[in-house]
Amino acid sequence: SAVISQKPSRDICQRGTSLTIQCQVDSQVTMMFWYRQQPGQSLTLIATANQGSEATYESGFVIDKFPISRPNLTFSTLTVSNLSPEDSSIYLCSHRGERDTEAFFGQGTRLTVV
Amino acid sequence: LAKTTQPISMDSYEGQEVNITCSHNNIATNDYITWYQQFPSQGPRFIIQGYKTKVTNEVASLFIPADRKSSTLSLPRVSLSDTAVYYCLVVSSGGYNKLIFGAGTRLAVHP
Repeated sequence: SAVISQKPSRDICQRGTSLTIQCQVDSQVTMMFWYRQQPGQSLTLIATANQGSEATYESGFVIDKFPISRPNLTFSTLTVSNLSPEDSSIYLCSHRGERDTEAFFGQGTRLTVV
Repeated sequence: LAKTTQPISMDSYEGQEVNITCSHNNIATNDYITWYQQFPSQGPRFIIQGYKTKVTNEVASLFIPADRKSSTLSLPRVSLSDTAVYYCLVVSSGGYNKLIFGAGTRLAVHP
C-alpha cells in the first residue's frame, strides 16, 4: 500500500486568506480523494481528484472555494479559499489501494480560522 | 451506494468482547462490507472487509449473514487502546468508487 504524507499537520489562518494542503503519495495512484471532518463529526467527501482531468466535486462543494490540483500520479493539493471560521475542520486526503475497496488516509490537516 | 446504520456509541470494559452491528439493507451484489477505525487526530485506518460469511484477521472478525443486509464487527478482548470511532462502509468492487462515511460508532473502553 502507498504511504500518504500530508502537510501541514495544522495551521491557524486569518479569515479571508487561503490555505493550501499538500498530499504526497510514495507510489503512483490513479485516484485521490479529499475529505473534510468537522469537529465531532464523520468524514464528508469534498472531491475526487484524477490526474490529468478536473476534479469531481460533491454536492455542496465548489471549485472556487476548494480548488484542487493533481499534477501527477503521486501528488495533489487542496486549497481552502477565502477562509471563514466555518472552515475550521480537519481536512484529509486519501487514495484507494490495489484491492479497490481499501482506502488509505493521510494524518489530516487541522485548520483553525480566526 | 447502500446506506449504513450503526449505533452512535457503545461502552465496554477492558477484556470484554465488543460486537458492533451495522445494517445495510440496500447492499448490491457486487458490494463489499468494510470497516475502518479512527483514533483522535488521525485518519481512518482500514480494519477488515468481507463479502459473506465470516472473515477474521489479527485485529477483528467480521460476521455477515446470508442475506448480507447486516454485518457485525467483533473485537475480542478489547483494551483501552481500542477506544475509537468505528465506521462501517459498503463499497462497490467495480472501479475506484468513492467511499462515503456514515456517522460511525464511538466505542469507549473503560478500565
